[in-house]
Amino acid sequence: DTAVSQTPKYLVTQMGNDKSIKCEQNLGHDTMYWYKQDSKKFLKIMFSYNNKELIINETVPNRFSPKSPDKAHLNLHINSLELGDSAVYFCASSRQGAETQYFGPGTRLLVL
Amino acid sequence: DQQVKQNSPSLSVQEGRISILNCDYTNSMFDYFLWYKKYPAEGPTFLISISSIKDKNEDGRFTVFLNKSAKHLSLHIVPSQPGDSAVYFCAATLTGNQFYFGTGTSLTVIP
Repeated sequence: DTAVSQTPKYLVTQMGNDKSIKCEQNLGHDTMYWYKQDSKKFLKIMFSYNNKELIINETVPNRFSPKSPDKAHLNLHINSLELGDSAVYFCASSRQGAETQYFGPGTRLLVL
Repeated sequence: DQQVKQNSPSLSVQEGRISILNCDYTNSMFDYFLWYKKYPAEGPTFLISISSIKDKNEDGRFTVFLNKSAKHLSLHIVPSQPGDSAVYFCAATLTGNQFYFGTGTSLTVIP
């Protein structure tokens, strides 16, 4: 009965590869988010997305792209991975306009 | 540009005592503030929140205080329990679209 799930939990890959992280929520929420937590523990929003609007944090490189096949899923695609992409990536969801977000367990990405 | 700051990376408190976690912010337009709790290898979980029109919100052992003039909020946990040991993130939002998180404070409650 996991509310927000992410796969994989761990991801180790080489520089230059393309990878995807999947996120699914079963809460019936219509807004989903991706966050990056870097080595300094900053938790920064990358994207917020509902069926009407994609809001992109302007600091996010265009190698990162969210893909939403339906309201319950928001996947994160990363092209040409770089060492600095190593971080923990959290997916979250909320009802539209609600402030409380529900987070997934995180995906630990290590780029070698 | 870190708009939400938690200047204490760690805090240790004896069981039964009060834990006070602090958070400062720079944007006076933030209209909602939240505290999240995070255990290792898990995502943050919502703990308590407060609207900018209030100065206090209480939920059981947890109370959040907001001082808008000082752009400061704090989370009080009374009494502290060993299960409260976790990382606590302060967050602020404007219109619910952009969320800004602090870097977290690691709380250790000593039995």
